[in-house]
Amino acid sequence: SAVISQKPSRDICQRGTSLTIQCQVDSQVTMMFWYRQQPGQSLTLIATANQGSEATYESGFVIDKFPISRPNLTFSTLTVSNMSPEDSSIYLCSVLDRGNEQFFGPGTRLTVL
Amino acid sequence: AQSVSQHNHHVILSEAASLELGCNYSYGGTVNLFWYVQYPGQHLQLLLKYFSGDPLVKGIKGFEAEFIKSKFSFNLRKPSVQWSDTAEYFCAVNALMDSSYKLIFGSGTRLLVRP
Repeated sequence: SAVISQKPSRDICQRGTSLTIQCQVDSQVTMMFWYRQQPGQSLTLIATANQGSEATYESGFVIDKFPISRPNLTFSTLTVSNMSPEDSSIYLCSVLDRGNEQFFGPGTRLTVL
Repeated sequence: AQSVSQHNHHVILSEAASLELGCNYSYGGTVNLFWYVQYPGQHLQLLLKYFSGDPLVKGIKGFEAEFIKSKFSFNLRKPSVQWSDTAEYFCAVNALMDSSYKLIFGSGTRLLVRP
């Protein structure tokens, strides 16, 4: 199974600033995903990030707000731009392994004041 | 639109009681089905999965789930819960949508097991 780490684990940010979240995987994976889990709610897929191509965003999420990088097969970043209190959530990185199972990182808990 | 429904949002049980959490999905194609668990303060972990074959699948910690294709359901069961099963449980469906693979989650069920 893939082991995923995320940095930072949590942060408190001011309105209008941006935060970049890093996701590192211990093995090479083709498909990586970013999810958001708002307080008390389920996981919502933000985008799919495959190495060598532009990220594919789900309805309601746009690249200007959530730019994603995927420079290689073990790393990705998600930036939350121009933050507002509504962006307060847990952001999770996830990967699909060769067994068609999806593993999740520990999440980044973001609070926007 | 494709969706995953979990009908029980909060469940409270006493230890040794039996558990069944409902999950229904709306998608007509081939699907893979999962149950994930999130213990308090921890990240998501895979409980069990169904890809094909025997529709009754067994996972970790005594959990099992049954895929009923005709009902588009994948209910989670455990014969006798323990206090340590207190957690949030998410049903998820993986399917090819719009030419891409997506894992879609249900809204989750919070289980509280009283000692």
